[in-house]
Amino acid sequence: DGGITQSPKYLFRKEGQNVTLSCEQNLNHDAMYWYRQDPGQGLRLIYYSQIVNDFQKGDIAEGYSVSREKKESFPLTVTSAQKNPTAFYLCASRMVAGSSYEQYFGPGTRLTVT
Amino acid sequence: QKEVEQDPGPLSVPEGAIVSLNCTYSNSAFQYFMWYRQYSRKGPELLMYTYSSGNKEDGRFTAQVDKSSKYISLFIRDSQPSDSATYLCAMIRITGNQFYFGTGTSLTVIP
Repeated sequence: DGGITQSPKYLFRKEGQNVTLSCEQNLNHDAMYWYRQDPGQGLRLIYYSQIVNDFQKGDIAEGYSVSREKKESFPLTVTSAQKNPTAFYLCASRMVAGSSYEQYFGPGTRLTVT
Repeated sequence: QKEVEQDPGPLSVPEGAIVSLNCTYSNSAFQYFMWYRQYSRKGPELLMYTYSSGNKEDGRFTAQVDKSSKYISLFIRDSQPSDSATYLCAMIRITGNQFYFGTGTSLTVIP
């Protein structure tokens, strides 16, 4: 099955610890995105990457880091510098070439930091 | 002013009703429009996507774009309890890399 996988589904961490969220896609999509979703605030862009070894900050990149070493993978690290890390994190991807602009989402990771 | 405005609801309708969900936007450069359905604690699922003004129909769903008014709509005919979810609109410029989302409208269809 083609799609986007995120793991784990639920993640619990203590304050002060870094944590890495996994995102893998087998859709052969070029671009990958990380969003954060909080109640009443919609989706906010953290980072995105159009090609391997290149990525750009989104609106709320502070306290987060990413890497794009492979086309299929775009892991997100939530660092201890992120003041309010508890949220629902969504990974997405899309084709860049051609006239297709549809973006597809993974199932999400719910991170709770106490 | 937000780039995309969407009434958060909640919206509650009886089964079989026609549902109208709407978004307005401020940037006339947006050219590609999408609607997502998101069930509680799940990732958004792409429902419809349209390019340019006009209507696009897929089963019980119709997406409508009015670029002159900067207004997009999603209509759901013969609504079912399984349609109960949050609906998000999204849009992007043809030359852009970033998507802009509405905050979502929560819909409940009552049996």
